[in-house]
Amino acid sequence: DGGITQSPKYLFRKEGQNVTLSCEQNLNHDAMYWYRQDPGQGLRLIYYSQIVNDFQKGDIAEGYSVSREKKESFPLTVTSAQKNPTAFYLCASSIGSTSGARISTDTQYFGPGTRLTVL
Amino acid sequence: EDKVVQSPLSLVVHEGDTVTLNCSYEVTNFRSLLWYKQEKKAPTFLFMLTSSGIEKKSGRLSSILDKKELSSILNITATQTGDSAIYLCAGNNYGQNFVFGPGTRLSVLP
Repeated sequence: DGGITQSPKYLFRKEGQNVTLSCEQNLNHDAMYWYRQDPGQGLRLIYYSQIVNDFQKGDIAEGYSVSREKKESFPLTVTSAQKNPTAFYLCASSIGSTSGARISTDTQYFGPGTRLTVL
Repeated sequence: EDKVVQSPLSLVVHEGDTVTLNCSYEVTNFRSLLWYKQEKKAPTFLFMLTSSGIEKKSGRLSSILDKKELSSILNITATQTGDSAIYLCAGNNYGQNFVFGPGTRLSVLP
């Protein structure tokens, strides 16, 4: 079945540690995204990638890093510089076709999420 | 700065009631507006709206976009307890960005 997967489902981190959240999709989508959701709040964009080997900062990129070495994979590293990392992290993908200088996107499909807790 | 606002933020109704959720947006180079339903974990897609005045329907849910007013509504008729969720609205622009609202938390009581 086509879809988008995230692992692990739950992650516990000690202060000062870096952790990496996995996101994989087999939908052949060009664009991938990472969001953070805090209790009672909407989704906030951390990073997004329109194409392999390219990614852009979102609204709250500080303390996070990403890579996009393969089309299917967009891992997110939460570094020790992120002051308040406890949250629910969602990965998403969309077709993201390009047309000249304008990039249009389709519906986003979300993974099941990773809940990160800092101890 | 792009933003999406939803109202109400929280709503409690009884089964059988009809509800209307509101979303207003300020998105540069606006392309489409999307509605999602989020229960326990990841959001699931409901509707994508690109044209003004054309209602989209799926069962008891329907939604419409008003580009003149920069707004959209999501209607749920004959609500059921299974409709209890957070409903997220997002604006999409041609710059590959989705801007999400804070969500409306709907609770449907039996």
